[in-house]
Amino acid sequence: KQEVTQIPAALSVPEGENLVLNCSFTDSAIYNLQWFRQDPGKGLTSLLLIQSSQREQTSGRLNASLDKSSGRSTLYIAASQPGDSATYLCAPVNYGGATNKLIFGTGTLLAVQP
Amino acid sequence: NAGVTQTPKFRVLKTGQSMTLLCAQDMNHEYMYWYRQDPGMGLRLIHYSVGEGTTAKGEVPDGYNVSRLKKQNFLLGLESAAPSQTSVYFCASSVLSQPQHFGDGTRLSIL
Repeated sequence: KQEVTQIPAALSVPEGENLVLNCSFTDSAIYNLQWFRQDPGKGLTSLLLIQSSQREQTSGRLNASLDKSSGRSTLYIAASQPGDSATYLCAPVNYGGATNKLIFGTGTLLAVQP
Repeated sequence: NAGVTQTPKFRVLKTGQSMTLLCAQDMNHEYMYWYRQDPGMGLRLIHYSVGEGTTAKGEVPDGYNVSRLKKQNFLLGLESAAPSQTSVYFCASSVLSQPQHFGDGTRLSIL
């Protein structure tokens, strides 16, 4: 059974700092991995999706890497801003039929201080 | 373009009552999902559907039923609500290998 761990559980940084969020998963037979952000009282917004054949994906100030063999993914946020404050969730999708089922970690709560 | 819409946004039930949560998507997605989110547990998959007329069990299906009679709608039913089903419920939709799109959630309290 896939288990996903995100470290740290919470992080507070001053504005402008570069930061890294970590995600580890126990089953490396994944189809892809997605990173989401969740604002308080809201649903999830997809940030990046990395296919199993890729090593990284970039979108603006965000860069996600994937090391399938070691069961790790990182989300790098450059020049953090107060608007980046949210909970960040990673979710791999395992092989096993065409179902696209996500397994979520418990997230990292990020606070960027102005 | 509304994306994924969940109805209702909030609801309070008494133990033993029944209710149906509605999820509607306007993106013509084949796949639809129901999750629950509880503090310290993350999001867990309840049921999902890979197309109109199909449903399948996820990680925590007990106490819930679902139906997908139309491609754009995915209904989640609680036949006899229990306090353990107090949670925030999220619906999502997608096409295969693409990111899932989430609704804003339904906050359900069962007394």
